[in-house]
Amino acid sequence: DSGVTQTPKHLITATGQRVTLRCSPRSGDLSVYWYQQSLDQGLQFLIQYYNGEERAKGNILERFSAQQFPDLHSELNLSSLELGDSALYFCASSLARQGATDTQYFGPGTRLTVL
Amino acid sequence: GEDVEQSLFLSVREGDSSVINCTYTDSSSTYLYWYKQEPGAGLQLLTYIFSNMDMKQDQRLTVLLNKKDKHLSLRIADTQTGDSAIYFCAVLNQAGTALIFGKGTTLSVSS
Repeated sequence: DSGVTQTPKHLITATGQRVTLRCSPRSGDLSVYWYQQSLDQGLQFLIQYYNGEERAKGNILERFSAQQFPDLHSELNLSSLELGDSALYFCASSLARQGATDTQYFGPGTRLTVL
Repeated sequence: GEDVEQSLFLSVREGDSSVINCTYTDSSSTYLYWYKQEPGAGLQLLTYIFSNMDMKQDQRLTVLLNKKDKHLSLRIADTQTGDSAIYFCAVLNQAGTALIFGKGTTLSVSS
């Protein structure tokens, strides 16, 4: 158990809908990262937050957004869902003091199925 | 851009050693990682190596890094059926903000 929790474990929804994925980082970790794992693209970095502020963006679609709250949990919002958004979404956390690199620990993931 | 390549499959017999290989393009990568993913599960950090090291050993796991050839390998000694999983090589990107993953190597261990 990495100490990173994600809810829900599974999510099934329809095209055009909006969903919210939630992540709680390990105790003491300030950074949260979101990754998408799909069969065709593999594991891709979406976005990073550090202590409530967006720090880095990867291949995140404009339909997707995220935020990190004062208690450091994070939410990933996916809107206008398409079939191709079906994937496993991972959250990771690290201590990551600003400017330093640190090991990322991953949660169990949320499997999103868009029908 | 940065890229990480791995072979897709490896099949070994129980008790043998497994060697999973990885190549990467960004020579400035400072941290290199191995993660394990079992069916239906998340990514478990196995080990990592800093770029100024050539080798790191952790129980049955040995990581070798050849910076000149940008080649990373993971050796699992005395492979067990419980080691069957997908193994991902990952490197920290230049900005130090995200991991770049390979496509993963599926290790199949037969008894």
